[in-house]
Amino acid sequence: QKEVVQNSGPLSVPEGAIASLNCTYSDRGSQSFFWYRQYSGKSPELIMFIYSNGDKEDGRFTAQLNKASQYVSLLIRDSQPSDSATYLCAVTPGGSQGNLIFGKGTKLSVKP
Amino acid sequence: KAGVTQTPRYLIKTRGQQVTLSCSPISGHRSVSWYQQTPGQGLQFLFEYFSETQRNKGNFPGRFSGRQFSNSRSEMNVSTLELGDSALYLCASSWETSGGDVHETQYFGPGTRLLVL
Repeated sequence: QKEVVQNSGPLSVPEGAIASLNCTYSDRGSQSFFWYRQYSGKSPELIMFIYSNGDKEDGRFTAQLNKASQYVSLLIRDSQPSDSATYLCAVTPGGSQGNLIFGKGTKLSVKP
Repeated sequence: KAGVTQTPRYLIKTRGQQVTLSCSPISGHRSVSWYQQTPGQGLQFLFEYFSETQRNKGNFPGRFSGRQFSNSRSEMNVSTLELGDSALYLCASSWETSGGDVHETQYFGPGTRLLVL
């Protein structure tokens, strides 16, 4: 059973701090990795995608991928109260098309 | 470009009825994927259509079906509704070519919230 595991949280950080969100996946053949943000009552919104080992930075967000450890992370620098949401890690399993496997999400709360 | 649109946004049905949900992808996207989101199970993949063909299917009963039209718009149908079908149904579009590269990042619509009584 291919699965993606995230800490459910909630993760609480003070405003201005770094929030670190983690995700592990079981399918070693997974090719593409995504982070989505979902506000309460809304649909998932893409934050970042990463395909290769290493770090990828976009503004305050950095995604990190380690395929050997089957581990993906998202760092949010200078966290803002508006970052408070559920963060979903998603993976495209190997040999599959159009199918994302999602973790259950980590709820992040940024306190002013 | 306009985003993914879904209709209707909210729906209330009773057990045993059937329902049809509609999704219009981002212009130029050829793939539409459908997901069910519930508090207990999270986001689960239903099926994916590409150029009017179902390419992939998740572990849902045959009561859940879908189709895609030549303009890439997609519909999903749930027959003989059960209480457990109450959920947020999301569609996502993807697959566009740019400079010879294929981009399969999925972008989600606002969802249809279905309540089965």
